Amino acid sequence: KQEVTQIPAALSVPEGENLVLNCSFTDSAIYNLQWFRQDPGKGLTSLLLIQSSQREQTSGRLNASLDKSSGRSTLYIAASQPGDSATYLCAVGRGSTLGRLYFGRGTQLTVWP
Amino acid sequence: ETGVTQTPRHLVMGMTNKKSLKCEQHLGHNAMYWYKQSAKKPLELMFVYNFKEQTENNSVPSRFSPECPNSSHLFLHLHTLQPEDSALYLCASSQEWGTEEAFFGQGTRLTVV
Repeated sequence: KQEVTQIPAALSVPEGENLVLNCSFTDSAIYNLQWFRQDPGKGLTSLLLIQSSQREQTSGRLNASLDKSSGRSTLYIAASQPGDSATYLCAVGRGSTLGRLYFGRGTQLTVWP
Repeated sequence: ETGVTQTPRHLVMGMTNKKSLKCEQHLGHNAMYWYKQSAKKPLELMFVYNFKEQTENNSVPSRFSPECPNSSHLFLHLHTLQPEDSALYLCASSQEWGTEEAFFGQGTRLTVV
């Protein structure tokens, strides 16, 4: 069974810092990998989707990389802002049906002014 | 707003009650999912529907009964639940194949008393 691990579990930083959130998975035979954001008590907002054939994706201040062979993905957040405070979830695609996902426990990020 | 709407947002029910959760999407997706998010556990996939047919049941107890009358609507019928079933229940939708990400609803916060 696929295991997804996210490090660190929690992170508290002053605004303006560049951040790196890590995700690792045990089975490299993945279909895709998604990064989500979850605000307290809310649903998930998709941030970036990386197909298994891709190495990285970028959206604004966010950049996600994927290294299938080593079972790792990294989410890079540039110039962090208090509005970035949320839990960030990494999810690995279980197959070609796009919503079948294995999730990590998340990294809880707090960015203070 | 992700295009996936869940109702109700909050639900408190007794162990002998019967209630239903509703999910609706108008994104033209043909796959829908129920996920459970318990405290201190990763999101867990419960059920998958493709073109209204259930294609996955991840050993979910029979007190949870899904229903998918059409590709736009998904229900989760609840009966004789236990307090440990209290959780955030999230609905998602996606294309079955392709390169787009899955979209999640805001969730229903369920408390079983």
